[in-house]
Amino acid sequence: KAGVTQTPRYLIKTRGQQVTLSCSPISGHRSVSWYQQTPGQGLQFLFEYFSETQRNKGNFPGRFSGRQFSNSRSEMNVSTLELGDSALYLCASSLGQGEQFFGPGTRLTVL
Amino acid sequence: QKEVEQDPGPLSVPEGAIVSLNCTYSNSAFQYFMWYRQYSRKGPELLMYTYSSGNKEDGRFTAQVDKSSKYISLFIRDSQPSDSATYLCANLIKAAGNKLTFGGGTRVLVKP
Repeated sequence: KAGVTQTPRYLIKTRGQQVTLSCSPISGHRSVSWYQQTPGQGLQFLFEYFSETQRNKGNFPGRFSGRQFSNSRSEMNVSTLELGDSALYLCASSLGQGEQFFGPGTRLTVL
Repeated sequence: QKEVEQDPGPLSVPEGAIVSLNCTYSNSAFQYFMWYRQYSRKGPELLMYTYSSGNKEDGRFTAQVDKSSKYISLFIRDSQPSDSATYLCANLIKAAGNKLTFGGGTRVLVKP
C-alpha cells in the first residue's frame, strides 16, 4: 500500500508570494491533517479535513488555508508569504480518527 | 507552559542498552497517546498508539501510560545505531478530531 505523498518536496519562494502544497493520503483514508514544523516551535497543527470539510483548525493566521477534494487529496495554501513561514510542512492521513501516518513533508524556504 | 513536555536531549546510549524516553502533559482531556520517530529531514513515523493506562508492547518497543500522573514513557530494548533519531510524543483529544498536540521531541544517539 502506498504511503502518504506530498508534492513538491522542496520549494523556494520570496516574501509576498503565495504557495500551494499538495498531499495525497493513503488509499481509503478520508482524513488529512496539516502540520508546520520549525526548530523553534516544533510540530504545530494547522488544520484537518475530513470528507471535504474542515473539522478542526489550529492557531494560525488566515493566510493559511486548505481544502480537500472528493478523492481525499488535499491542498494547503499560504498567501503573502513571510520569512517566518519557512518550515517543513507535513500532512498526515487517517481512516477516521486515531492513528495518523505522515508524509515526507514539503520544505518551504522563504527568502 | 506547553501542554506536552519532553526533555530535548540529546540522550546518548551505547548499542544494546535500553533507551528510556519520557513525556509529561498537563491537559487531562487527552485520551490517545502516540510515539513517533523522526529521522533528520524525514516525516514522523508512527511507532506506538495507545489509549489506556498501562503497558503496550510491540517488538522492541514498550509504551507506558499513567493517566493519573499524566506521564507517558517509551522504552526501546536492545537499541541499535539505526534507532538514532528524534522521538516525539503526541496526544489527542477524541472530541478534537485528529488534532495532535506534540511534545518538542527527544534526540537519541545510539553509539556503536
